[in-house]
Amino acid sequence: GESVGLHLPTLSVQEGDNSIINCAYSNSASDYFIWYKQESGKGPQFIIDIRSNMDKRQGQRVTVLLNKTVKHLSLQIAATQPGDSAVYFCAEGGNAGGTSYGKLTFGQGTILTVHP
Amino acid sequence: DAMVIQNPRYQVTQFGKPVTLSCSQTLNHNVMYWYQQKSSQAPKLLFHYYDKDFNNEADTPDNFQSRRPNTSFCFLDIRSPGLGDAAMYLCATSRSDGNEQFFGPGTRLTVL
Repeated sequence: GESVGLHLPTLSVQEGDNSIINCAYSNSASDYFIWYKQESGKGPQFIIDIRSNMDKRQGQRVTVLLNKTVKHLSLQIAATQPGDSAVYFCAEGGNAGGTSYGKLTFGQGTILTVHP
Repeated sequence: DAMVIQNPRYQVTQFGKPVTLSCSQTLNHNVMYWYQQKSSQAPKLLFHYYDKDFNNEADTPDNFQSRRPNTSFCFLDIRSPGLGDAAMYLCATSRSDGNEQFFGPGTRLTVL
Protein backbone atom coordinates (compact mmCIF):
# COMPACT_ATOMS: atom_id res chain seq x y z
CA GLY A 1 0.00 0.00 0.00
CA GLU A 2 1.00 3.65 0.30
CA SER A 3 4.00 4.54 2.35
CA VAL A 4 3.23 6.05 5.72
CA GLY A 5 2.43 9.71 5.32
CA LEU A 6 4.27 12.43 7.10
CA HIS A 7 2.62 14.33 9.90
CA LEU A 8 1.91 17.74 8.40
CA PRO A 9 2.12 20.82 10.59
CA THR A 10 -1.31 21.94 11.69
CA LEU A 11 -2.83 25.29 12.52
CA SER A 12 -6.20 25.63 14.23
CA VAL A 13 -7.91 29.02 14.41
CA GLN A 14 -11.29 30.44 15.24
CA GLU A 15 -13.46 31.92 12.54
CA GLY A 16 -12.67 35.60 12.14
CA ASP A 17 -9.09 35.32 13.40
CA ASN A 18 -6.11 36.03 11.19
CA SER A 19 -3.98 33.04 10.15
CA ILE A 20 -0.29 32.94 9.37
CA ILE A 21 1.19 29.94 7.61
CA ASN A 22 4.94 29.71 7.32
CA CYS A 23 7.26 28.03 4.86
CA ALA A 24 11.01 27.68 4.63
CA TYR A 25 12.40 27.22 1.15
CA SER A 26 15.69 25.69 0.19
CA ASN A 27 17.02 27.15 -3.03
CA SER A 28 18.47 30.64 -2.81
CA ALA A 29 18.36 30.82 -6.62
CA SER A 30 14.57 30.45 -6.72
CA ASP A 31 12.95 33.59 -8.05
CA TYR A 32 9.28 32.66 -8.00
CA PHE A 33 7.12 31.57 -5.08
CA ILE A 34 3.52 30.49 -4.98
CA TRP A 35 0.93 29.40 -2.46
CA TYR A 36 -1.65 26.75 -3.25
CA LYS A 37 -4.73 25.67 -1.31
CA GLN A 38 -5.74 22.04 -1.57
CA GLU A 39 -9.07 20.82 -0.26
CA SER A 40 -9.63 17.16 0.43
CA GLY A 41 -9.91 15.12 -2.77
CA LYS A 42 -9.19 18.10 -5.04
CA GLY A 43 -6.26 19.49 -6.95
CA PRO A 44 -4.24 22.45 -5.67
CA GLN A 45 -5.76 25.88 -6.33
CA PHE A 46 -3.73 29.03 -6.85
CA ILE A 47 -3.92 31.56 -4.04
CA ILE A 48 -1.17 34.10 -4.60
CA ASP A 49 2.35 34.32 -5.98
CA ILE A 50 5.35 36.58 -5.62
CA ARG A 51 8.62 37.15 -7.45
CA SER A 52 11.94 37.50 -5.70
CA ASN A 53 12.21 41.21 -6.53
CA MET A 54 9.33 41.85 -4.12
CA ASP A 55 8.98 41.25 -0.39
CA LYS A 56 5.22 41.63 -0.05
CA ARG A 57 2.20 41.13 -2.20
CA GLN A 58 -1.45 41.45 -1.30
CA GLY A 59 -4.54 39.82 -2.68
CA GLN A 60 -8.09 39.59 -1.51
CA ARG A 61 -7.84 38.68 2.21
CA VAL A 62 -4.38 37.19 1.63
CA THR A 63 -0.87 38.58 1.88
CA VAL A 64 2.37 36.84 1.02
CA LEU A 65 5.62 37.95 2.64
CA LEU A 66 9.03 36.94 1.33
CA ASN A 67 12.24 37.17 3.34
CA LYS A 68 15.08 36.16 1.07
CA THR A 69 17.71 36.67 3.75
CA VAL A 70 16.43 33.74 5.77
CA LYS A 71 14.66 31.97 2.88
CA HIS A 72 11.25 32.28 4.49
CA LEU A 73 7.82 32.69 2.98
CA SER A 74 4.57 33.30 4.80
CA LEU A 75 0.90 33.44 3.91
CA GLN A 76 -1.40 35.62 5.94
CA ILE A 77 -5.14 35.10 5.71
CA ALA A 78 -7.31 37.84 7.17
CA ALA A 79 -10.64 37.11 8.83
CA THR A 80 -10.28 33.36 8.33
CA GLN A 81 -13.48 31.54 7.40
CA PRO A 82 -14.47 27.85 7.69
CA GLY A 83 -14.17 27.61 3.90
CA ASP A 84 -10.47 28.35 4.27
CA SER A 85 -9.93 24.98 5.95
CA ALA A 86 -7.57 23.03 3.70
CA VAL A 87 -3.93 22.03 3.25
CA TYR A 88 -1.74 24.94 2.16
CA PHE A 89 1.40 24.31 0.13
CA CYS A 90 4.14 26.73 -0.68
CA ALA A 91 6.23 26.10 -3.78
CA GLU A 92 9.39 27.63 -5.14
CA GLY A 93 10.51 27.81 -8.72
CA GLY A 94 12.52 29.58 -11.30
CA ASN A 95 13.67 29.32 -14.85
CA ALA A 96 14.63 25.78 -15.68
CA GLY A 97 17.91 25.53 -17.54
CA GLY A 98 17.47 28.81 -19.34
CA THR A 99 13.88 28.20 -20.36
CA SER A 100 11.27 30.82 -19.71
CA TYR A 101 9.11 28.49 -17.68
CA GLY A 102 10.09 26.73 -14.50
CA LYS A 103 9.38 23.64 -12.48
CA LEU A 104 7.98 24.01 -8.99
CA THR A 105 9.32 22.37 -5.85
CA PHE A 106 6.64 21.99 -3.21
CA GLY A 107 7.05 22.40 0.54
CA GLN A 108 5.51 19.87 2.89
CA GLY A 109 2.19 21.61 3.48
CA THR A 110 0.27 22.89 6.50
CA ILE A 111 -3.21 21.78 7.52
CA LEU A 112 -5.41 24.77 8.42
CA THR A 113 -8.56 24.08 10.41
CA VAL A 114 -11.00 26.91 11.03
CA HIS A 115 -13.52 26.42 13.83
CA PRO A 116 -16.88 28.23 13.58
CA ASP B 1 -15.53 26.27 -17.96
CA ALA B 2 -13.17 23.58 -16.72
CA MET B 3 -9.59 24.31 -17.72
CA VAL B 4 -7.65 21.19 -16.77
CA ILE B 5 -9.72 18.02 -16.88
CA GLN B 6 -8.69 14.64 -15.59
CA ASN B 7 -10.42 11.37 -16.28
CA PRO B 8 -11.35 9.25 -14.57
CA ARG B 9 -11.57 10.91 -11.14
CA TYR B 10 -11.27 7.51 -9.47
CA GLN B 11 -9.51 4.49 -10.94
CA VAL B 12 -9.23 1.03 -9.46
CA THR B 13 -6.79 -1.43 -10.96
CA GLN B 14 -5.27 -4.74 -10.04
CA PHE B 15 -1.68 -5.32 -9.10
CA GLY B 16 0.33 -5.56 -12.33
CA LYS B 17 -2.54 -4.56 -14.65
CA PRO B 18 -1.61 -1.60 -16.89
CA VAL B 19 -3.61 1.56 -16.40
CA THR B 20 -3.82 4.86 -18.27
CA LEU B 21 -4.84 8.17 -16.76
CA SER B 22 -5.95 11.03 -18.95
CA CYS B 23 -5.54 14.79 -18.81
CA SER B 24 -6.85 17.44 -21.17
CA GLN B 25 -6.65 21.22 -21.10
CA THR B 26 -8.50 24.11 -22.71
CA LEU B 27 -5.83 26.69 -21.85
CA ASN B 28 -3.61 26.01 -24.87
CA HIS B 29 -0.58 25.91 -22.59
CA ASN B 30 2.71 24.60 -23.93
CA VAL B 31 3.77 22.81 -20.78
CA MET B 32 2.00 19.87 -19.15
CA TYR B 33 3.09 18.16 -15.93
CA TRP B 34 2.27 14.93 -14.12
CA TYR B 35 2.62 14.74 -10.34
CA GLN B 36 2.15 11.90 -7.87
CA GLN B 37 0.76 12.84 -4.47
CA LYS B 38 0.57 10.35 -1.62
CA SER B 39 -1.43 10.84 1.53
CA SER B 40 -0.28 13.78 3.65
CA GLN B 41 2.57 14.55 1.28
CA ALA B 42 3.38 17.27 -1.21
CA PRO B 43 2.95 16.66 -4.94
CA LYS B 44 6.02 15.02 -6.47
CA LEU B 45 6.85 15.79 -10.09
CA LEU B 46 7.13 12.70 -12.29
CA PHE B 47 7.76 14.35 -15.67
CA HIS B 48 6.66 17.16 -17.91
CA TYR B 49 6.26 17.99 -21.59
CA TYR B 50 7.29 21.23 -23.20
CA ASP B 51 5.31 20.96 -26.42
CA LYS B 52 6.38 17.51 -27.64
CA ASP B 53 9.66 17.46 -25.73
CA PHE B 54 9.51 14.97 -22.88
CA ASN B 55 11.42 15.71 -19.64
CA ASN B 56 11.69 12.91 -17.12
CA GLU B 57 12.64 13.46 -13.47
CA ALA B 58 15.72 11.49 -12.50
CA ASP B 59 13.96 9.49 -9.80
CA THR B 60 10.79 8.63 -11.73
CA PRO B 61 10.52 4.84 -12.02
CA ASP B 62 10.54 3.28 -15.50
CA ASN B 63 7.11 1.89 -14.67
CA PHE B 64 5.70 5.36 -15.39
CA GLN B 65 5.45 6.55 -18.99
CA SER B 66 3.70 9.43 -20.66
CA ARG B 67 2.33 10.39 -24.05
CA ARG B 68 1.27 13.74 -25.44
CA PRO B 69 -0.39 13.26 -28.82
CA ASN B 70 -1.34 16.92 -29.19
CA THR B 71 -1.35 20.21 -27.26
CA SER B 72 -4.58 19.45 -25.44
CA PHE B 73 -4.05 15.91 -24.22
CA CYS B 74 -1.51 14.14 -22.07
CA PHE B 75 -1.63 10.57 -20.75
CA LEU B 76 0.06 8.84 -17.84
CA ASP B 77 0.65 5.13 -18.37
CA ILE B 78 1.54 2.89 -15.45
CA ARG B 79 2.79 -0.32 -17.00
CA SER B 80 2.68 -2.62 -14.00
CA PRO B 81 1.08 -0.91 -11.00
CA GLY B 82 2.32 -1.95 -7.61
CA LEU B 83 0.66 -1.39 -4.27
CA GLY B 84 3.05 1.49 -3.69
CA ASP B 85 1.70 3.32 -6.74
CA ALA B 86 -1.65 3.94 -5.08
CA ALA B 87 -1.87 7.72 -4.89
CA MET B 88 -3.52 10.83 -6.28
CA TYR B 89 -2.18 11.71 -9.72
CA LEU B 90 -2.31 15.38 -10.60
CA CYS B 91 -1.98 16.94 -14.02
CA ALA B 92 -0.97 20.59 -14.35
CA THR B 93 -0.26 23.03 -17.16
CA SER B 94 1.66 26.26 -17.53
CA ARG B 95 2.45 28.79 -20.22
CA SER B 96 5.86 28.70 -21.80
CA ASP B 97 6.64 32.15 -20.37
CA GLY B 98 5.39 31.63 -16.83
CA ASN B 99 5.77 29.72 -13.61
CA GLU B 100 2.18 29.48 -12.39
CA GLN B 101 0.82 25.99 -12.80
CA PHE B 102 -2.88 25.23 -13.18
CA PHE B 103 -3.92 21.93 -11.69
CA GLY B 104 -6.64 19.49 -12.57
CA PRO B 105 -8.81 17.82 -9.92
CA GLY B 106 -6.66 14.70 -9.85
CA THR B 107 -7.26 10.99 -10.35
CA ARG B 108 -7.28 8.82 -7.23
CA LEU B 109 -5.68 5.48 -8.11
CA THR B 110 -6.35 2.40 -6.01
CA VAL B 111 -4.31 -0.76 -6.58
CA LEU B 112 -5.81 -4.02 -5.34
